[in-house]
Amino acid sequence: DAKTTQPPSMDCAEGRAANLPCNHSTISGNEYVYWYRQIHSQGPQYIIHGLKNNETNEMASLIITEDRKSSTLILPHATLRDTAVYYCIVRVPWDSSYKLIFGSGTRLLVRP
Amino acid sequence: DVKVTQSSRYLVKRTGEKVFLECVQDMDHENMFWYRQDPGLGLRLIYFSYDVKMKEKGDIPEGYSVSREKKERFSLILESASTNQTSMYLCASKSTGRSNEKLFFGSGTQLSVL
Repeated sequence: DAKTTQPPSMDCAEGRAANLPCNHSTISGNEYVYWYRQIHSQGPQYIIHGLKNNETNEMASLIITEDRKSSTLILPHATLRDTAVYYCIVRVPWDSSYKLIFGSGTRLLVRP
Repeated sequence: DVKVTQSSRYLVKRTGEKVFLECVQDMDHENMFWYRQDPGLGLRLIYFSYDVKMKEKGDIPEGYSVSREKKERFSLILESASTNQTSMYLCASKSTGRSNEKLFFGSGTQLSVL
């Protein structure tokens, strides 16, 4: 019952920008979009999150469309160490709180 | 640097054994979580705790229990391990806050039940 849709895999060349798309057409008005990544044999790592405005931090940029039905995670200069599974997540109500549902994500391969 | 530490990276146990998986965080977080990750099934929430001595069932609590006696430590217990509990187990923590879903994960424990 994940609320997001991502392509199963992508690749890009080292040094180029990696643009990872995500559809979240049923997102409600006050829900944030979260991005995590999981490098092989490690736990998931938080990257960035946003509500309406575009966000940037030391790891990535997040572009959210005006209608909030989709977003794109941008790794401006991908390196080999960015090879990982990237998860786009919208939290869902659960009991009196919320939970994150990690779907299958996008497997990004950065080529030398 | 913030840290979530899981006591074992790899663990091999026999069917029927009682198994303890330990997790410690040094960020003074109120909330702690146990997930398991299996190929094709993603991460599934087993149990979580939002305070000391408090626990809530996740999506797949059957066959598991948890203990949170101290704020920094959250233990997952397999009362009688079975082969279908062979999996990667991930512990996570986060602070309390509206719209805060910034989870910090440990490196995981790969458990094999023979």
